[in-house]
Formats: sequence, structure tokens, C-alpha cells
Amino acid sequence: AQSVTQLGSHVSVSEGALVLLRCNYSSSVPPYLFWYVQYPNQGLQLLLKYTSAATLVKGINGFEAEFKKSETSFHLTKPSAHMSDAAEYFCAVRKTGNQFYFGTGTSLTVIP
Amino acid sequence: DTGVSQNPRHKITKRGQNVTFRCDPISEHNRLYWYRQTLGQGPEFLTYFQNEAQLEKSRLLSDRFSAERPKGSFSTLEIQRTEQGDSAMYLCASSSLPDAEAFFGQGTRLTVV
Repeated sequence: AQSVTQLGSHVSVSEGALVLLRCNYSSSVPPYLFWYVQYPNQGLQLLLKYTSAATLVKGINGFEAEFKKSETSFHLTKPSAHMSDAAEYFCAVRKTGNQFYFGTGTSLTVIP
Repeated sequence: DTGVSQNPRHKITKRGQNVTFRCDPISEHNRLYWYRQTLGQGPEFLTYFQNEAQLEKSRLLSDRFSAERPKGSFSTLEIQRTEQGDSAMYLCASSSLPDAEAFFGQGTRLTVV
């Protein structure tokens, strides 16, 4: 069973526009949730994480995400896109047993 | 640099050859993970160590794949009799506490020709 689902494999926004990348999780218990960013030929870098301390999580580079249990969602947002935000973004869940499971990713394009 | 280190960064090998990749995790991290990533996909979990114990290996793709972490520090991933379908990026990550994030290395890109 898929643990996280990322809606939209490609998202394009204009520079300065709102960024919204969607992630829904499937879990019977509140999970640990993460967003990672990957630049070409690089490893993954953590943007932010949810570990039940607060539902609105702020991360690096102006990104934030809100955990909504009722919607089983953990969408990533940024108020104003920058050219340097163009990358691949992955939502991940850490389940009991400690494995991390990743979504299929969303490629973000920023149009000047 | 105190991050996760992977070597080599790139490996080109002929089909049928064996390859071995190395991962050096962040020194105080007791958990180590191996993932495979193909183009346009998210990282696919392969195996996981806690210290030197391999706690999950059912996701290793076939019996040609094996991993070790002999002293609970660095780890190696070996692929025997490589096939073209093994071409991918192999990522290593480490973490500490159960609620902590995983820190990833830069990956080893394998090309089987």
C-alpha cells in the first residue's frame, strides 16, 4: 500500500507566485512526515519535518507545511517562488520499524 | 565535512561484473539506510541497519544484492552479476533518534553497459 501520494508529478509557477506541492499520507497512526528537495545529480536535502509538536511546520528557504489529520495531508507551500526553487520535491513518511518511504516526487519549474 | 559520504560517485561497469559501493554515515548515527532511485522516481527502500544488525532486508531487489555493516560504522552495498536494469542512483542515508530525519549522501550513480 502506498504510504504517501504526491499529486502532480510536474508543477510550474511563475517567479514570485505561490508554490503549492501536495502530499497525502495513509497511516493509521500519526506518522512522522518530511519534505525533501533534490537538485540534479545530488542527494536529498531536508526542507522540514513534522513530528507532532506543531501542525504548522516551518522549514528552510521559506517553505512551510501544514499537517491536517482530517485530510491526511501534508502540503508544502512557499508564498513567493524563486528561480532557485526549481528542483524535485519528495514527501516522505517514517513508519514504525524506522523505514522512510518516499512519494514519487514533484518536479517544480519556476518560470521567469 | 561531517555529512554522509558515498564512494564512488559514479561507476560504469560491464554487464555481469560485480560492483561494491561504500557509505560512511554521520559518526553518531546508529541507523543506516540504502535506497535506489531511478529516473523520475522517488527513492526506493532497499535495506536498513541499526548498528551492525541488518533489521530489514526483504526489500533488496534480488539475491544478487547484499549489504553489510560489519562494525556498525560504514556500510557496503554489493551487486553481483550486474544487469542493465540495475542502472540507477544508489543513495545512502543515516539517522539517529526514532523521530529524526534521514541525512542523505550524494549518491552513487551506477551505469551498466
